[in-house]
Amino acid sequence: AQSVAQPEDQVNVAEGNPLTVKCTYSVSGNPYLFWYVQYPNRGLQFLLKYITGDNLVKGSYGFEAEFNKSQTSFHLKKPSALVSDSALYFCAVLTGGGNKLTFGTGTQLKVEL
Amino acid sequence: DTEVTQTPKHLVMGMTNKKSLKCEQHMGHRAMYWYKQKAKKPPELMFVYSYEKLSINESVPSRFSPECPNSSLLNLHLHALQPEDSALYLCASSQTHVSGANVLTFGAGSRLTVL
Repeated sequence: AQSVAQPEDQVNVAEGNPLTVKCTYSVSGNPYLFWYVQYPNRGLQFLLKYITGDNLVKGSYGFEAEFNKSQTSFHLKKPSALVSDSALYFCAVLTGGGNKLTFGTGTQLKVEL
Repeated sequence: DTEVTQTPKHLVMGMTNKKSLKCEQHMGHRAMYWYKQKAKKPPELMFVYSYEKLSINESVPSRFSPECPNSSLLNLHLHALQPEDSALYLCASSQTHVSGANVLTFGAGSRLTVL
């Protein structure tokens, strides 16, 4: 079955430090991978996606993600974290022949002053 | 207009009530989705409409009844719900459904409490 895993329930980072939110995937064939962010009491917002091509994908709000085929990972990164980045982050993969977006369990990011 | 609008934002209902959740988008998207999300959990797909036709039903109980009156509107009719159905219900849309790398645009959700 196609799936993504987020090994960390919570990540704590000091403002100004780099942040990484981890995601690994288990997919047969070429994966279509996404990152979404959810702020409290809000819907999900699209950050970035990997379809094919350059392994480093740049997205919204200064976020980027690196697709690593050998490690089956798609970690989300940002060089300098902001308190306003504190939110719930979901990695996701297209499954079901491209019909379904299946989410990981989510990682709560907390950025502190 | 780049938004998906959901109403109501909050809904409290008894187990014998009938209510509806509404979703609207004016981006010309031809695929619309209902997701259910429990607190601190990932969204779970319930239904997908593609070109106003139901294309996916993730074995959702019949007490949830979706309806897509036109390409801009999506409803979720609720009847005889259980307390465990209390959750945030998210509507989303995308340009098309079966095209590979769809980006979903989500609404802010309707928070449902079943007493």
